[in-house]
Amino acid sequence: KAGVTQTPRYLIKTRGQQVTLSCSPISGHRSVSWYQQTPGQGLQFLFEYFSETQRNKGNFPGRFSGRQFSNSRSEMNVSTLELGDSALYLCASSLVADTSTDTQYFGPGTRLTVL
Amino acid sequence: AQSVTQLGSHVSVSEGALVLLRCNYSSSVPPYLFWYVQYPNQGLQLLLKYTSAATLVKGINDFEAEFKKSETSFHLTKPSAHMSDAAEYFCAVSSQGGKLIFGQGTELSVKP
Repeated sequence: KAGVTQTPRYLIKTRGQQVTLSCSPISGHRSVSWYQQTPGQGLQFLFEYFSETQRNKGNFPGRFSGRQFSNSRSEMNVSTLELGDSALYLCASSLVADTSTDTQYFGPGTRLTVL
Repeated sequence: AQSVTQLGSHVSVSEGALVLLRCNYSSSVPPYLFWYVQYPNQGLQLLLKYTSAATLVKGINDFEAEFKKSETSFHLTKPSAHMSDAAEYFCAVSSQGGKLIFGQGTELSVKP
């Protein structure tokens, strides 16, 4: 079974631009979570989607948004990019609705560099 | 609120030596605990997961972790380190709503 895939793997943008990252979960998984990883802040939760609904959101500004499609694929969008948005963005998928007990499987990430 | 503390941002061991990576958690409810490993330029790979079925959890690549409620710990061990174990290791506790709370990570170096 294919794992979690993320596209693109690398992105370079300039301040003020916007960016969209894509995540395809493992087949049959319905929950998708997004995390930001930076050297200073570590791994931080962005949001989680299940059945096209955002169920939980981390402490990030409104410039960070996401959505999930009916096939469970998810996208996240960052508008008005800032230098501090440079990070590895990780997507994780899990099988069932109760992700507090279920295992999250991570994709390889998208490395975003903001110049 | 739940939290995870990993003691030691860098650990260095010799090849063949015991690996011990420390993790302490704080949780007001019975926790679900995870260890993940991250190799350079890659995502996170699950090593093992504690779900209260057994206090000693065996994972992949001969890693195991022991849940100790009295010490609020979930330390990761491996009897004999390999060069290929060099990576960053993250301990995490699950929270409601699909949120994993991670420790700051421990970078493991393995010397030949």
